[in-house]
Amino acid sequence: AQSVTQLGSHVSVSEGALVLLRCNYSSSVPPYLFWYVQYPNQGLQLLLKYTTGANLVTGINGFEAEFKKSETSFHLTKPSAHMSDAAEYFCAVSEEGKLIFGQGTTLQVKP
Amino acid sequence: DGGITQSPKYLFRKEGQNVTLSCEQNLNHDAMYWYRQDPGQGLRLIYYSQIVNDFQKGDIAEGYSVSREKKESFPLTVTSAQKNPTAFYLCASSIVRTGMTEAFFGQGTRLTVV
Repeated sequence: AQSVTQLGSHVSVSEGALVLLRCNYSSSVPPYLFWYVQYPNQGLQLLLKYTTGANLVTGINGFEAEFKKSETSFHLTKPSAHMSDAAEYFCAVSEEGKLIFGQGTTLQVKP
Repeated sequence: DGGITQSPKYLFRKEGQNVTLSCEQNLNHDAMYWYRQDPGQGLRLIYYSQIVNDFQKGDIAEGYSVSREKKESFPLTVTSAQKNPTAFYLCASSIVRTGMTEAFFGQGTRLTVV
């Protein structure tokens, strides 16, 4: 079975600073990978996805993620954090018709 | 607008009572899912269904039951056998494609057992 590990349950950055949220997966086959964002008491919204093709994926709200097969990683980045980015972020991998999620990372943005 | 509707948003029940959470989608998706979310534990899969009248257990199915009589609907019943039912429950749906599942989520139901 595949698994997803998100390094760091809480990440704090200053407004305008680089955001880096880490995700590593375990998979013996080329994976399909996703990042979702969740605001308090709401459902999950898809930020971006990697299927095939270019390793650098661009999503909504200025986020990007790079698929690195050699490192089994799919880290999420944003060059400049905004206060509205404060939320919980989930990395997920697709396996046999369902999604396997990491434990989530809470992003705090300080003014 | 197309989407997934979960109801109610908040639900309070007494210990020992069964309760049913509603999930409806009008996206014409074949697959539907129920996840449970607890602080610090991410999302854990309870049940999923890829076709009408068929469903499979996820990682934490004990104490829960589901039905899939219609493509649009996938209700979840939290039974009295579920030892710790207080949690945030999320329903999702997706198109079934070989190898890839992109799920769309409802707004969730927060269940509190008192």
